[in-house]
Amino acid sequence: NAGVMQNPRHLVRRRGQEARLRCSPMKGHSHVYWYRQLPEEGLKFMVYLQKENIIDESGMPKERFSAEFPKEGPSILRIQQVVRGDSAAYFCASSPMTDTQYFGPGTRLTVL
Amino acid sequence: KNEVEQSPQNLTAQEGEFITINCSYSVGISALHWLQQHPGGGIVSLFMLSSGKKKHGRLIATINIQEKHSSLHITASHPRDSAVYICAVTEGGNQFYFGTGTSLTVIP
Repeated sequence: NAGVMQNPRHLVRRRGQEARLRCSPMKGHSHVYWYRQLPEEGLKFMVYLQKENIIDESGMPKERFSAEFPKEGPSILRIQQVVRGDSAAYFCASSPMTDTQYFGPGTRLTVL
Repeated sequence: KNEVEQSPQNLTAQEGEFITINCSYSVGISALHWLQQHPGGGIVSLFMLSSGKKKHGRLIATINIQEKHSSLHITASHPRDSAVYICAVTEGGNQFYFGTGTSLTVIP
């Protein structure tokens, strides 16, 4: 059983471009979470999704950020018109119906 | 104020020393997690606790629900234990609240 997969592992974007981060949960997991780790800061919750539904997006910035978890395919975290302050590590985690979350390796976004 | 506070923020130890990292939280929780993050690397879940004590190899995690406190102990520390250790709690929903982490360096 492969672990949580994220791609790309590293992503470089120029200001104003779009960033798309992908997360494939572990097999059998229908819950996906996205977290952001800003440089020199701790992890912060962004959004919690189940298949085709956003359950809790209280940690998402109000503008430019969106997330989806379609019926088929990976979960996508999309950042439009990126700014330098978006540079961070973005971690995805998945879980079955328990409190345990399994983390992916993260995507490190650098905005030039 | 953060829901989860960790201490110390930074810790340097000699190889072989016994290490303790502390975590205090202010919310009611259903579970507490200890995570390990290596430099430039991903995050590994070490323990999930809701009561008592768990042991895995040289790692021991304890939790005191009444005092809202948990400790992570490393016995016979080794340089490969050098990493950031993160405490995280869940309230019964699915959102994690994270501490800011303890950066551990074990010197040979």
